[in-house]
Amino acid sequence: GIQVEQSPPDLILQEGANSTLRCNFSDSVNNLQWFHQNPWGQLINLFYIPSGTKQNGRLSATTVATERYSLLYISSSQTTDSGVYFCAVERSGNTGKLIFGQGTTLQVKP
Amino acid sequence: DSGVTQTPKHLITATGQRVTLRCSPRSGDLSVYWYQQSLDQGLQFLIQYYNGEERAKGNILERFSAQQFPDLHSELNLSSLELGDSALYFCASSPQGFPYEQYFGPGTRLTVT
Repeated sequence: GIQVEQSPPDLILQEGANSTLRCNFSDSVNNLQWFHQNPWGQLINLFYIPSGTKQNGRLSATTVATERYSLLYISSSQTTDSGVYFCAVERSGNTGKLIFGQGTTLQVKP
Repeated sequence: DSGVTQTPKHLITATGQRVTLRCSPRSGDLSVYWYQQSLDQGLQFLIQYYNGEERAKGNILERFSAQQFPDLHSELNLSSLELGDSALYFCASSPQGFPYEQYFGPGTRLTVT
């Protein structure tokens, strides 16, 4: 099956710093989503980005489908950005099944 | 708030018991998905329903079953529970059309003692 690898596994930042999270996937996809899991366990949709670039406030994401990777940028990080960031993909073929990476755990210190 | 609701939020039960988790999708969404998040396995797809019909199956145990009702809500039934079934169970829903962006509910945290 398709493999999804996220890096780095853990990241510690000072408030105000910028960061880049990476997601590599091993096959062509027709869906890629980024999620933030907050300390209460909720999975929050950040981006639906099978290709291209999107921005939402301090967050932006880029997916280069031909090279099978996606990047999530967090600028001017805040303590509320802490949590786990997941990348999830749906393999081409319209299965509807999201395969999740293992996540990047981000801690932002005040 | 994603618009997907799940009940109960927390469930504590004993080994060997049976539980039912409930999910209501976002208004207008026809697809419902169930995922399990455990410490050792991460987030894993269990099963998908589309407008009442099973569409795709993942690594769902035979002790687990699900269904989607005519009003589109879904239930996940877990039976003969084992300690290893303790996990966070998420329901997600997606709109019609292709491809699908999935929206996740708040999850049900199941603890088997």
